[in-house]
Amino acid sequence: EAQVTQNPRYLITVTGKKLTVTCSQNMNHEYMSWYRQDPGLGLRQIYYSMNVEVTDKGDVPEGYKVSRKEKRNFPLILESPSPNQTSLYFCASRMLGGANEQFFGPGTRLTVL
Amino acid sequence: TQLLEQSPQFLSIQEGENLTVYCNSSSVFSSLQWYRQEPGEGPVLLVTVVTGGEVKKLKRLTFQFGDARKDSSLHITAAQPGDTGLYLCAGGGAGNMLTFGGGTRLMVKP
Repeated sequence: EAQVTQNPRYLITVTGKKLTVTCSQNMNHEYMSWYRQDPGLGLRQIYYSMNVEVTDKGDVPEGYKVSRKEKRNFPLILESPSPNQTSLYFCASRMLGGANEQFFGPGTRLTVL
Repeated sequence: TQLLEQSPQFLSIQEGENLTVYCNSSSVFSSLQWYRQEPGEGPVLLVTVVTGGEVKKLKRLTFQFGDARKDSSLHITAAQPGDTGLYLCAGGGAGNMLTFGGGTRLMVKP
């Protein structure tokens, strides 16, 4: 089954404790991205990657890091989480080209205390 | 940064009513997508429109891309409780950019 998987689905942590949210896709997509979703603000892109070892900042990259060492994986790293990073996070992937369907993971709900 | 504004933000209607959701921008987009998101899940693509003036129908849902490719609408005929969810429009821009609107949360009461 074609899908994007994320782990963990839920995470409660404390300020400053480094964490990683994993993302994996099995559709051989070149393009992968991370979004955060907050009430009233819609989906805002954090980082994206157009291929292995190629990553770039989205609209809200501060406080986040990513890596793309393999085509299928695109982990999101929070080196020192803060309460304003409490949010619902989605990983997504698609073929290159803005009109192509974007496939989303199930989401990770993160709470930073 | 290209911006997409959706209206209304919230909509609560009775089963059987019709509704229209709007997605507007001052920027031109090369494509416009509509997604639907249910609680606890990621958004799922409903349709992509790429030509100015294009109209696509998906059962009771009708999607239109404005002639100038700056706006789009989603019309639902005879809404059902199963249509309840968050509807998101997303505009495709230069290169691989995809900009999302803020979403319209629809509730259809039986």
